[in-house]
Amino acid sequence: AAGVIQSPRHLIKEKRETATLKCYPIPRHDTVYWYQQGPGQDPQFLISFYEKMQSDKGSIPDRFSAQQFSDYHSELNMSSLELGDSALYFCASSYPSTLLTNEQFFGPGTRLTVL
Amino acid sequence: AQSVTQLGSHVSVSEGALVLLRCNYSSSVPPYLFWYVQYPNQGLQLLLKYTSAATLVKGINGFEAEFKKSETSFHLTKPSAHMSDAAEYFCAVSLGNTGKLIFGQGTTLQVKP
Repeated sequence: AAGVIQSPRHLIKEKRETATLKCYPIPRHDTVYWYQQGPGQDPQFLISFYEKMQSDKGSIPDRFSAQQFSDYHSELNMSSLELGDSALYFCASSYPSTLLTNEQFFGPGTRLTVL
Repeated sequence: AQSVTQLGSHVSVSEGALVLLRCNYSSSVPPYLFWYVQYPNQGLQLLLKYTSAATLVKGINGFEAEFKKSETSFHLTKPSAHMSDAAEYFCAVSLGNTGKLIFGQGTTLQVKP
């Protein structure tokens, strides 16, 4: 079965650079969530989209922005990168019929290292 | 506010022994609760979920969890641990109409031969 695809899987950037992470949800899933997992930490919710509109926002820095496109894929844009942004970034998708029970399907994550 | 607390950041069991990972939740409304497993350098995989149907929930890989409202708990169990169960386990609650997940701090399960 198709899964959530994230690219790139690994990314190394310098401080103050920008990064773009991409997420391709499971076909027919129109809800996307982004989470950030720091080293040894639990995943923290960043932002979510439903039908291309932002549906919720968590502890996402102002330096980050995200959007969902017409084909439902999503991109997380990160600017002025800081050392503390080094983390595993997960994307998850879900389908409206499961929204209340929220069975989210997670991608493998993008590991961002900021040097 | 809804939250989850996992008791014990590290749990070590012998192969074949009972696995018990503890999770307590705080919620003003009936919660939707989940257990996810994360293997090293991999994403999160859903083990099981509670969505107000049966209080005893069976998941994949022989895991199950029981929702106990009186104890505000949703502990994860497996009768007999296998070496392949060694991983990080997260309890999570679904929050709000948008369904974002709030995770507990995670429990690392070590299985000894």
